[in-house]
Amino acid sequence: DAGVTQSPTHLIKTRGQQVTLRCSPISGHKSVSWYQQVLGQGPQFIFQYYEKEERGRGNFPDRFSARQFPNYSSELNVNALLLGDSALYLCASSFMAGPGPQHFGDGTRLSIL
Amino acid sequence: DQQVKQNSPSLSVQEGRISILNCDYTNSMFDYFLWYKKYPAEGPTFLISISSIKDKNEDGRFTVFLNKSAKHLSLHIVPSQPGDSAVYFCAASPNSGGSNYKLTFGKGTLLTVNP
Repeated sequence: DAGVTQSPTHLIKTRGQQVTLRCSPISGHKSVSWYQQVLGQGPQFIFQYYEKEERGRGNFPDRFSARQFPNYSSELNVNALLLGDSALYLCASSFMAGPGPQHFGDGTRLSIL
Repeated sequence: DQQVKQNSPSLSVQEGRISILNCDYTNSMFDYFLWYKKYPAEGPTFLISISSIKDKNEDGRFTVFLNKSAKHLSLHIVPSQPGDSAVYFCAASPNSGGSNYKLTFGKGTLLTVNP
């Protein structure tokens, strides 16, 4: 069975641009979460979606938004990119939104010039 | 304010010996804990978890111990193998009482297992 898939794997943008990252969860998983990992730190929670509804939001500015589609795939959008947005963006899926392991994709490496 | 702390940035162990990775947390709402392993250029891989109703959970070579009164957990790997060399993240989430079960991660510990 396919794991969590994310696209693209790498992306280079300039300051002020907008970016959309995509995630397909493991088949049967209904919850998708997004995390940002900067160098030397652990992943930091951005959003959680379950059944197309936002279930939680981390301490990120409104430039960050996300949505979940009827097939449970998800997109993360970041507007007005800043140099500090350079990071690895990880998507994780789980069967439900409750406690339990979240399974991660390999991430999208976003570089802002 | 780091709610999950992994105070050892790195650990080096000889093959066949025990690896012990430590993690402390400060948020009393946390009662479900996980360990992930991460290789370069890959996403974190789930290893093992434990709920606060238990103090030990085993899965093959991996054992997680939880000391809730001390807000401390540890991951034991026995015997350690060179393929275990990776960054290990401790993560925590609330187990109930809300609709957001976000994971809060520590900064990670780089484990190197020498042949």
